[in-house]
Amino acid sequence: AQTVTQSQPEMSVQEAETVTLSCTYDTSESNYYLFWYKQPPSRQMILVIRQEAYKQQNATENRFSVNFQKAAKSFSLKISDSQLGDTAMYFCAFITGNQFYFGTGTSLTVIP
Amino acid sequence: SAVISQKPSRDICQRGTSLTIQCQVDSQVTMMFWYRQQPGQSLTLIATANQGSEATYESGFVIDKFPISRPNLTFSTLTVSNMSPEDSSIYLCSADRGGTGELFFGEGSRLTVL
Repeated sequence: AQTVTQSQPEMSVQEAETVTLSCTYDTSESNYYLFWYKQPPSRQMILVIRQEAYKQQNATENRFSVNFQKAAKSFSLKISDSQLGDTAMYFCAFITGNQFYFGTGTSLTVIP
Repeated sequence: SAVISQKPSRDICQRGTSLTIQCQVDSQVTMMFWYRQQPGQSLTLIATANQGSEATYESGFVIDKFPISRPNLTFSTLTVSNMSPEDSSIYLCSADRGGTGELFFGEGSRLTVL
């Protein structure tokens, strides 16, 4: 079965600090993409970062980076220099074939 | 990136009525999907909207309750039929342009059924 597990329902971080959101997944497929999506209170989901499973190098996008451990099926998101605008729900997801699988989300609050 | 417009953004409906949600993408996309998101919850895939053929429904969702149309590569509708309070939720349209593995989302339609 394909699953995505986010074990941290809620997290908070002080502005300018660093926070790491955890995600583990399970799949028997060898080809897949991994994603972190952000859903601010305004509700529209937007892509934060993407990782191809065949790439060993961890993806980075400005203040966002991932720690991808393929053997452990772990895909954590690190947010550096947290900003108030980072307050949102964060969903870990992966796609294999045409099927997307989402985690249950982590609600992140950045505290001024 | 694709821009996805959904309407209505929110609505309050009476039990037993039906509501159609429209989803417009600003460019042709291969795959379109409809998700349901309960408040504070993750996304549950309702169905994949196939252009020119019947939608593919996930377990627990049926065409009579959630009829879907996709007349072309940029537009789809989802109807929530014979609504009950349990249908109160956010309904999200999304699209996958293909090749990128990335989903783009509309802003969602928040339905409240009284």
